[in-house]
Amino acid sequence: NAGVTQTPKFRVLKTGQSMTLLCAQDMNHEYMYWYRQDPGMGLRLIHYSVGEGTTAKGEVPDGYNVSRLKKQNFLLGLESAAPSQTSVYFCASSYPRMYEGGPRAKNIQYFGAGTRLSVL
Amino acid sequence: DQQVKQNSPSLSVQEGRISILNCDYTNSMFDYFLWYKKYPAEGPTFLISISSIKDKNEDGRFTVFLNKSAKHLSLHIVPSQPGDSAVYFCAASAQGGSEKLVFGKGTKLTVNP
Repeated sequence: NAGVTQTPKFRVLKTGQSMTLLCAQDMNHEYMYWYRQDPGMGLRLIHYSVGEGTTAKGEVPDGYNVSRLKKQNFLLGLESAAPSQTSVYFCASSYPRMYEGGPRAKNIQYFGAGTRLSVL
Repeated sequence: DQQVKQNSPSLSVQEGRISILNCDYTNSMFDYFLWYKKYPAEGPTFLISISSIKDKNEDGRFTVFLNKSAKHLSLHIVPSQPGDSAVYFCAASAQGGSEKLVFGKGTKLTVNP
């Protein structure tokens, strides 16, 4: 059971280049999320998805696009990379929260190992 | 406006002693709180959580306390071990919010042997 897998682990881009980060989960989770982590900033939500075919904006969505064509995959795209997008990107997945005491009540997000992206 | 605040960027304790990490929140709609632990070059891993209907949750050496009136929660680690050295993130979510988590900036805990 791999959990949440992110590809690639590292990438260096030049300003203006494009790339796609792939997130795959094998836990049959409905919800998936993309975060970025910058020094001293904690984790900030970029985009999220509550199901196959759906996406929504998070706290810092500008400059990114996402797609969720399959339940197990969530892609994060940078169309024209900028130095300000240098960061560590984390993908996470979870079940929807149920009532207290239910089998899915804990609303725990499970994270991948991250992708370190540098934009020069 | 920061909705979840961890005001101590770092904390250093001796092995065997208690570590207390603090977290404050401003959004009264938050009803579920989690602590994550993160080692360098790894993703955050879930540690312990608490629902707003409780004021304490315990799991082995880890206990989380919630004071709703003060909008404050704390994580106690007893006894602290060198392997506990990591960055700890406090996170909160509100029901009906698509389970989105709002994270604090983290506290780096160092446990000295």
